[in-house]
Amino acid sequence: AQKVTQAQTEISVVEKEDVTLDCVYETRDTTYYLFWYKQPPSGELVFLIRRNSFDEQNEISGRYSWNFQKSTSSFNFTITASQVVDSAVYFCALSVGSGGTSYGKLTFGQGTILTVHP
Amino acid sequence: DSGVTQTPKHLITATGQRVTLRCSPRSGDLSVYWYQQSLDQGLQFLIQYYNGEERAKGNILERFSAQQFPDLHSELNLSSLELGDSALYFCASSVEGSGGAINNEQFFGPGTRLTVL
Repeated sequence: AQKVTQAQTEISVVEKEDVTLDCVYETRDTTYYLFWYKQPPSGELVFLIRRNSFDEQNEISGRYSWNFQKSTSSFNFTITASQVVDSAVYFCALSVGSGGTSYGKLTFGQGTILTVHP
Repeated sequence: DSGVTQTPKHLITATGQRVTLRCSPRSGDLSVYWYQQSLDQGLQFLIQYYNGEERAKGNILERFSAQQFPDLHSELNLSSLELGDSALYFCASSVEGSGGAINNEQFFGPGTRLTVL
């Protein structure tokens, strides 16, 4: 079975601070994908990034960066110079598959509520 | 806008009733997924359909059922509703590529907020 753990339930920062959201995953599959989604107060789920299990390169997109480490089964997300608009719930998710069988379901972590104060 | 539409946005009903939630996937997407988001359980996968056929099942109650129609829209039917069924129900869709659906981004609809009184 798969599991995603986001140990930080809530994080509160002041604008312009850097913040890292932790994500630890568990799976026995060797082929899997990791995702981050953002859920702003309006409620929709916004896709942020997808990373496959064979690509451990870190990724940077503007103020967002992701650190994937298979050795520690972690896929952490850092927001640099946070802004009030970054306030949202952030979810880490895992999708697995093997042997050519198509799986698509996402296993989500419990989410981290990020509040950025002005 | 993800391109996935869900109706209705809000639904208020009473215990014991039956409701139908509707989802239209993005144009060209063959896979539809249903998720439930509640305070107790978080975001949970319910069921997946691919081109009209059930593909995977998660923690979906027997009181719940779904289907995907030839035009690829999907409906989630919830019956004998209980207070604990109050939640935000998301539909997502994806294009299933040659590598399977796991490597495809899922686009989420805005959700249907169900309140059972």
